[in-house]
Amino acid sequence: SYELTQPPSVSVSPGQTASITCSGDKLGDKYASWYQQRPGQSPVLVIYQDTKRPSGIPERFSGSNSGNAATLTISGTQAVDGADYYCQAWDSTTIIFGGGTKLTVL
Amino acid sequence: QVQLQESGPGRVKTSQTLSLTCTVSGASINSYGFYWSWVRQYPGKGLEWIGYKYYTGSTSYNPSLKGRVAISLDTSKNHFSLDLSSVTAADTAVYYCARERISSSSYYFDYWGQGALVTVSS
Repeated sequence: SYELTQPPSVSVSPGQTASITCSGDKLGDKYASWYQQRPGQSPVLVIYQDTKRPSGIPERFSGSNSGNAATLTISGTQAVDGADYYCQAWDSTTIIFGGGTKLTVL
Repeated sequence: QVQLQESGPGRVKTSQTLSLTCTVSGASINSYGFYWSWVRQYPGKGLEWIGYKYYTGSTSYNPSLKGRVAISLDTSKNHFSLDLSSVTAADTAVYYCARERISSSSYYFDYWGQGALVTVSS
């Protein structure tokens, strides 16, 4: 079965750039989406179709996808960006989620 | 503004059927291009897609659930439901309803409910 792999945790200083990767076999041939989940809240879509931002998502969130990895980049990271982030893709018959990455803004 | 709200029992006995309903406001479940889905999140935080139903009657379910799942739509009430049969403790999770968008091979969830914790025990 298809798997998406994320690092369990990433740390970043306020104002710096955070990058969260999502690895999967030929992931670049699929569309990747990203969700932010703050403690006790539901997931929120922050990137879809690799690079697109939904209305209301700050411009500091961006995405890319090629080869075997998709990347979520947060530029000028703010304390409010501290959360769990999940990647997601579709493989033949099933929607797959990555295991999640906890972003800590120190 | 699209809003989704789950409702149903917070506790289900082992081997019985888990049933949840999602009430949708701000959008019609009878609309072209929107798929109505369920996703669950285990206590250890992993997310698992359960399945979706489209207003035409088309459905897709996660093969891992092996025929235990059914999703239905009630357009008169603008809500949709999940039935998961023969539950075990492994089905304990927070269950989210969500609106799914599908275009070519792009699948994503643009609106989510607040989630409903369901505990399975004997």
